[in-house]
Amino acid sequence: GAVVSQHPSWVICKSGTSVKIECRSLDFQATTMFWYRQFPKQSLMLMATSNEGSKATYEQGVEKDKFLINHASLTLSTLTVTSAHPEDSSFYICSARSPGAGGRNEQFFGPGTRLTVL
Amino acid sequence: QQQVKQSPQSLIVQKGGISIINCAYENTAFDYFPWYQQFPGKGPALLIAIRPDVSEKKEGRFTISFNKSAKQFSLHIMDSQPGDSATYFCAALIDTGTASKLTFGTGTRLQVTL
Repeated sequence: GAVVSQHPSWVICKSGTSVKIECRSLDFQATTMFWYRQFPKQSLMLMATSNEGSKATYEQGVEKDKFLINHASLTLSTLTVTSAHPEDSSFYICSARSPGAGGRNEQFFGPGTRLTVL
Repeated sequence: QQQVKQSPQSLIVQKGGISIINCAYENTAFDYFPWYQQFPGKGPALLIAIRPDVSEKKEGRFTISFNKSAKQFSLHIMDSQPGDSATYFCAALIDTGTASKLTFGTGTRLQVTL
């Protein structure tokens, strides 16, 4: 149980286009979802926290108009990278948490989405 | 500001040996300390976690040692196997309900050789 999926697993796009990444909790309802970005050989950096039905809370330095997050249901959150540029190329990982899934504080991570902007 | 410091950056251990990764934190409000294992191109997976009211937790070959007074915790992998080769991240969390978020260490790349 407690499986989180992401789609697509990898995407290549042209500079200036927008890309949407989906994060789904498959067997539990996620009251909170998190979006991380990870550059090669680096740690995970939290971008934003989203609670179902409310606006996402962005970490300092993350442009909310560039990284649009929607948590429209208890099983789906989306991250849209708008007007993508090569410097946005990274590994994007989501995680989901629910008080009823696993331990009280456990986050379940998705497999990640590799974004390459040409 | 890095709130969780992790060392070493990389580690090479022979098969059957003990792998030890250390982490230190600053914020005494942290109350949950998980370790994650990440393989290349994959998302991190929870390996083992501990709360500060316990000094040690063991699950199979994996043990967390926790020193509250020193604000340090470590992961020990006993009888290390080539399949353990991965990047390991320690993390810390303050449980404030919906606002809780993980702070990750910088990661340790473990290579277990034959």
